[in-house]
Amino acid sequence: DAGITQSPRHKVTETGTPVTLRCHQTENHRYMYWYRQDPGHGLRLIHYSYGVKDTDKGEVSDGYSVSRSKTEDFLLTLESATSSQTSVYFCATRTDTDSPLHFGNGTRLTVT
Amino acid sequence: GQQVMQIPQYQHVQEGEDFTTYCNSSTTLSNIQWYKQRPGGHPVFLIQLVKSGEVKKQKRLTFQFGEAKKNSSLHITATQTTDVGTYFCGDPTGTASKLTFGTGTRLQVTL
Repeated sequence: DAGITQSPRHKVTETGTPVTLRCHQTENHRYMYWYRQDPGHGLRLIHYSYGVKDTDKGEVSDGYSVSRSKTEDFLLTLESATSSQTSVYFCATRTDTDSPLHFGNGTRLTVT
Repeated sequence: GQQVMQIPQYQHVQEGEDFTTYCNSSTTLSNIQWYKQRPGGHPVFLIQLVKSGEVKKQKRLTFQFGEAKKNSSLHITATQTTDVGTYFCGDPTGTASKLTFGTGTRLQVTL
């Protein structure tokens, strides 16, 4: 969607290295989400934010941390990447808890 | 916790045939949202249903919310190759601002 930028779009990294994925939005949406998508598993929530410095865990949060110091930026960090974290990561935003999600274009992460 | 299942996981149809995917929840849904994801793309919002028994149409797509608000369906009439993709349902409220997605139905349409 217009207004949501994920960076990088593609990344290859080695096991054990730290990785940070960035989501930047210009929509001034309060809620931001990080999902991972894997074949056979659909979209699974990693972490989400309900405001600046307000974050909480999703269903698959182990091995991931997040930070949100500004409304427009939501960072996802893999402290020590593992091969099981190879996936496509999507950031999403929305204005309130029953409004539609707007997704970024995704980041394809490969951990070798 | 809440579980949202979709069936079928995959369907392959000939262009012009109809297609239906079903979304079933273990608990009562507040609302239901439907998204479409084209191959290589990101999910895009299609529609939200709020009321029990609600039916909404978008051209060839018909969305229905069950009377008990525990299931929903998406029906596509006379599929076209542009309908190819994965269709997801989700409850936008869930628990503590989360949105729980179904497992998705992948639709393949061939000429």
